[in-house]
Amino acid sequence: KNQVEQSPQSLIILEGKNCTLQCNYTVSPFSNLRWYKQDTGRGPVSLTIMTFSENTKSNGRYTATLDADTKQSSLHITASQLSDSASYICVVSAYDYKLSFGAGTTVTVRA
Amino acid sequence: DAGVIQSPRHEVTEMGQEVTLRCKPISGHNSLFWYRQTMMRGLELLIYFNNNVPIDDSGMPEDRFSAKMPNASFSTLKIQPSEPRDSAVYFCASSLAIVSNQPQHFGDGTRLSIL
Repeated sequence: KNQVEQSPQSLIILEGKNCTLQCNYTVSPFSNLRWYKQDTGRGPVSLTIMTFSENTKSNGRYTATLDADTKQSSLHITASQLSDSASYICVVSAYDYKLSFGAGTTVTVRA
Repeated sequence: DAGVIQSPRHEVTEMGQEVTLRCKPISGHNSLFWYRQTMMRGLELLIYFNNNVPIDDSGMPEDRFSAKMPNASFSTLKIQPSEPRDSAVYFCASSLAIVSNQPQHFGDGTRLSIL
């Protein structure tokens, strides 16, 4: 069964600090990997999409990395802000429309 | 630009009642998805439409669930009769094309509570 596992389940960081979220997957064949941000009570919003050949992709203070050989990805948040408090979901695509979702990492940024 | 619009945002009803959730995708998007999100199971794909045609409904839990897309700007997800275990947040998402690197744009969901 295709799986996407994220760690940690949750974390708390102080405003201004950096943090890194992890995603391991067993989805095969692999098409692309996405990171979504989901604020409480809102729908997920796409942060990055990486295909097999991409190792790094940035979106402002968010930087995603992908190692397709080890089937690992990370999302790094730089200089965290209170607005970064959200759930971050790793999503892997094996086909064009079917997505495998991780359970998410809940990030809490405190002043 | 207007994003994916879902209505209602919240729905509370008694078991046995019919529930209809509505979705307006982003104009120009030809792929539409219905998802369900729960604490236990996370996000699950229920059904996928391409050019208003249902392509994959393997995620629809049972015959009580049905979805339609009568035109490119409107879709409904219906539950009849509803049961307490149907309580969840239901999301609609749309994307520009079937091309793999296109993001899915999600609405803000309908929080459904079946009493």
